[in-house]
Amino acid sequence: SYVLTQPPSVSVAPGKTATITCGGDNIGRKGVDWYQQKPGQAPVLVIYYDTDRPSGIPERFSGSKSGNTATLTISRVEAGDEADYYCQVWDSRSDHVVFGGGTKLTVL
Amino acid sequence: QVTLKESGPVLVKPTETLTLTCTVSGFSLSNARMGVTWIRQPPGKALEWLAHIFSNDEKYSSTSLKSRLTISKDASKSQVVLTMTNMDPVDTATYLCARILCYTTSCNMFWFDSWGQGILVTVSS
Repeated sequence: SYVLTQPPSVSVAPGKTATITCGGDNIGRKGVDWYQQKPGQAPVLVIYYDTDRPSGIPERFSGSKSGNTATLTISRVEAGDEADYYCQVWDSRSDHVVFGGGTKLTVL
Repeated sequence: QVTLKESGPVLVKPTETLTLTCTVSGFSLSNARMGVTWIRQPPGKALEWLAHIFSNDEKYSSTSLKSRLTISKDASKSQVVLTMTNMDPVDTATYLCARILCYTTSCNMFWFDSWGQGILVTVSS
């Protein structure tokens, strides 16, 4: 089955840049989406189709892909960005939606 | 405004069947670029996809749970129903539904752009 690998945790100081990676075989051939989930809340879509940002999501959030890795970058990190972040793809080989294990972003 | 709301029992006994309903508003379940998915999250753990259904009634479900899951929709009622048989304490989780928005009407590329708040289902005797 298809696997997406994320680091369990990332820490960053306020005002700095956070990068959260998501690794998977041939991820370049798949559309990658990213979700932010704060404690006790439902996930919120922050990046879709690799690089697109839904309306209402700050420009500080951006997505990219290179090789077998997709990356969520959060610039000028704020305390309010502290949350769990999940990457997700549709694996057409197995007809499965696959989520990464999630990355807890801590703002120092 | 798009909204989704999960409803169903918050407590089920082992071996019972769970039936959850996702009631949507602000969009039509007949829209060719849309569908609804069910996802669950055990306490303190990651998101796990369960199943989804598109406007043309095309359905997909997790192979690890496939024999236990059924998903259906009633577009006239704006509802998507998920049933899971033979519930076990390990199935204790928050169950969430979300809207699928497709890149094109072929729906081979999609994302989950609106989510319900979820319902915590506990499996215990």
